Amino acid sequence: DQQVKQNSPSLSVQEGRISILNCDYTNSMFDYFLWYKKYPAEGPTFLISISSIKDKNEDGRFTVFLNKSAKHLSLHIVPSQPGDSAVYFCAAYDGSSNTGKLIFGQGTTLQVKP
Amino acid sequence: EPEVTQTPSHQVTQMGQEVILRCVPISNHLYFYWYRQILGQKVEFLVSFYNNEISEKSEIFDDQFSVERPDGSNFTLKIRSTKLEDSAMYFCASNPTGDTEAFFGQGTRLTVV
Repeated sequence: DQQVKQNSPSLSVQEGRISILNCDYTNSMFDYFLWYKKYPAEGPTFLISISSIKDKNEDGRFTVFLNKSAKHLSLHIVPSQPGDSAVYFCAAYDGSSNTGKLIFGQGTTLQVKP
Repeated sequence: EPEVTQTPSHQVTQMGQEVILRCVPISNHLYFYWYRQILGQKVEFLVSFYNNEISEKSEIFDDQFSVERPDGSNFTLKIRSTKLEDSAMYFCASNPTGDTEAFFGQGTRLTVV
């Protein structure tokens, strides 16, 4: 039961270009979405989030877009840097649960080439 | 900057043995979690803990698993009788309010042989 899906297992972009990572969800009760970045042998690190009442949130080079009708969100990284190379996880909070449980996607491995 | 710390970083255990994974969450956080990631798979929720009791657990979190907050700082995950399929990275996380971003530890790699 994959409630959060990241259909692209990997993405390769050139340094300086835009990276676009996509995420789809199925549960309409999800009301808060997050992106985490993970390096090998480390825990996930919070990157950026968006509430379901917004359609865009920006933080420096990172922007997250939310399309509620399509149940789709995307993370844009502009410009991409080699240090951005990592696994990116999309995650969602279930608004019907008050425990703060996160549902994760499978992750997308981003490689930024110098 | 405050961080979640986990020990040990790597634990190797024989099948059937008990293991205890330890975590020190961020001190003013109220919600605590354990997640795991089997190699090559997604991060999966195991259990959430609030106000000294389990608030939610997944199907994975069966009777072989237990959590405890024995004092004001530590948060532990115990697996009573480990199986080969318990081999995974186990992540502890904490959250100040339960509805903002969770902060993760660096993980414990559990290898069951």
